Amino acid sequence: EAQVTQNPRYLITVTGKKLTVTCSQNMNHEYMSWYRQDPGLGLRQIYYSMNVEVTDKGDVPEGYKVSRKEKRNFPLILESPSPNQTSLYFCASSPTSGRSDTQYFGPGTRLTVL
Amino acid sequence: GDSVTQMEGPVTLSEEAFLTINCTYTATGYPSLFWYVQYPGEGLQLLLKATKADDKGSNKGFEATYRKETTSFHLEKGSVQVSDSAVYFCALSLRGFNKFYFGSGTKLNVKP
Repeated sequence: EAQVTQNPRYLITVTGKKLTVTCSQNMNHEYMSWYRQDPGLGLRQIYYSMNVEVTDKGDVPEGYKVSRKEKRNFPLILESPSPNQTSLYFCASSPTSGRSDTQYFGPGTRLTVL
Repeated sequence: GDSVTQMEGPVTLSEEAFLTINCTYTATGYPSLFWYVQYPGEGLQLLLKATKADDKGSNKGFEATYRKETTSFHLEKGSVQVSDSAVYFCALSLRGFNKFYFGSGTKLNVKP
């Protein structure tokens, strides 16, 4: 089944404890992206990647890191999480970086930082 | 800057009522426009899209027309069902910039 998977689905952590949220897609997509969803703000793009070893900042990259060493994986790293990073996170992928491409979303990761 | 504005919810309708969810955008170039839907506890999935002015996207009885003159992409459905209850997001992407902008989402509740 073609899909985007994220792990973990739920995570409660404490301020300053480094964490990684994994994202993997099995559709051989070139483009991958991370978003955070907050009430009243919709989805905001954190980072995106157009292909292996090519990443760039979205609108809200502060406090996050990403890497794209393999085409299928695009982990999101929070090196020193803070409470304002409590949010619902979505990974998405699309076949190319074309502006009309459909994005396919993972099921989401709900992160709470205490 | 580039952005998407959509009407605030929640929108509550009775089954078989007509639905309109307004969406307007600001963009420096010629965007593609999308409507995504999020069912409870799930990720977003594409509902429909339009890539140039005057295009109409349609799917599952939903429609939206890309209006360049009014910078709008309003979502409509003639007769909603309880199963349409979800959060709807309007979004745009710009040629060459590889970024996506989403509206704040509109929650739709359909009552039997």
